[in-house]
Amino acid sequence: QSALTQPPSASGSRGQSVTISCTGTSSDVGYYDYVSWYQQHPGKAPKLIIYDVNERPSGVPDRFSGSKSGNTASLTVSGLQAEDEADYYCSSYAGDNNLRVFGTGTKVTVL
Amino acid sequence: EVLLVQSGAAVRKSGESLKISCKASGDTSSKYWIAWVRQMPGKGLEWMGIISPDDSDRRYNPSFQGQVTISADRSINTAYLQWSSLKASDTATYYCARLTGWNDFDFWGQGTLVTVSS
Repeated sequence: QSALTQPPSASGSRGQSVTISCTGTSSDVGYYDYVSWYQQHPGKAPKLIIYDVNERPSGVPDRFSGSKSGNTASLTVSGLQAEDEADYYCSSYAGDNNLRVFGTGTKVTVL
Repeated sequence: EVLLVQSGAAVRKSGESLKISCKASGDTSSKYWIAWVRQMPGKGLEWMGIISPDDSDRRYNPSFQGQVTISADRSINTAYLQWSSLKASDTATYYCARLTGWNDFDFWGQGTLVTVSS
């Protein structure tokens, strides 16, 4: 069970948008619409920001959006704000044996 | 409000055993699976395994199978992660998280730092 692949870093200026990719396989991201995204600030627990590919939990700003095409899911953060600077992780349901898998993580820097 | 409160930081030597806990409060209905996630220093998240609401079903990431044991005592709304023989490479922060749907972990514990010295 290999980790999903994310770019190590991404950046954007305040007010701009940044998109993070998350590439899996036809056995996880490509097969199931159960991709979630988590935001983690240094020293803090992860926070759910997107689930089921493009659903936002209550309280998460609509600046965060998700999508999926084939084996790759994406998270877009629009209107970047200083507090969006954090690590972001994708995750997918991996079926077989009720497993899940995380992505390698992307550090987002707000310039 | 749902809270998952984990046990405090632990320091052990290689070869020793350890059991850390994750106690749920708030919506403590027994319908939720609980997962454990490892984060080694400066590294990413790794999904370790999950336990069913009635404790009858435990699934492990193959990388962690045989290395740890996940259990729970639903009468006190507490899940556990334990090691019988720690290694220095087990040094990490461990998080518990509540699974709401198929893959949405909506509430997380604050993390337990485990430090293993050789």
